[in-house]
Amino acid sequence: EAGVTQFPSHSVIEKGQTVTLRCDPISGHDNLYWYRRVMGKEIKFLLHFVKESKQDESGMPNNRFLAERTGGTYSTLKVQPAELEDSGVYFCASSQVKPHRLAGAYEQYFGPGTRLTVT
Amino acid sequence: EDQVTQSPEALRLQEGESSSLNCSYTVSGLRGLFWYRQDPGKGPEFLFTLYSAGEEKEKERLKATLTKKESFLHITAPKPEDSATYLCAVQAPNDYKLSFGAGTTVTVRA
Repeated sequence: EAGVTQFPSHSVIEKGQTVTLRCDPISGHDNLYWYRRVMGKEIKFLLHFVKESKQDESGMPNNRFLAERTGGTYSTLKVQPAELEDSGVYFCASSQVKPHRLAGAYEQYFGPGTRLTVT
Repeated sequence: EDQVTQSPEALRLQEGESSSLNCSYTVSGLRGLFWYRQDPGKGPEFLFTLYSAGEEKEKERLKATLTKKESFLHITAPKPEDSATYLCAVQAPNDYKLSFGAGTTVTVRA
């Protein structure tokens, strides 16, 4: 079974430019998440999709970030315009809809990440 | 806000030298506590989920335990291939997002 894939693996852009990151979740996983790790900090949640609907956007830093998941399959995260502080590694994760156990947690499987550098 | 603190930040071990990593957490209720392994340049790799105090999970040389305030990841007789950053994350009830700690970077020397 293929894992979560992300594209590109690296992106270097100038301040003010636009970048679009893509995530393909594990087939059959309706839950899709975006996380970010900036240098020296822990991984932080950005947002959560259930199929094509945004379930939780509480971690999105500002309105320069736009996430979409048309058709409930792959997702894109666009940063426009990019700022220096947006540099970091952006991870995508996916999980199944039903919990592993009746009252269990939702195990999330992560992609390799996209390293974004804004200069 | 959920808080996760991992210690130590870094751990250097000799091959075969067993040790433990700590993850202290503060969360309103606990849906699950997760351990991940992360290698340089890669995404976190799922290891374990623990649901309630007293629970234990094992995988090869790794054993995770859980109390009401913390979790331990025990590495028994580590090998160089166990070198990685180990991440702990918690999930609150009625929530999907994971709150991560900063991780413990383990280096095992042959």
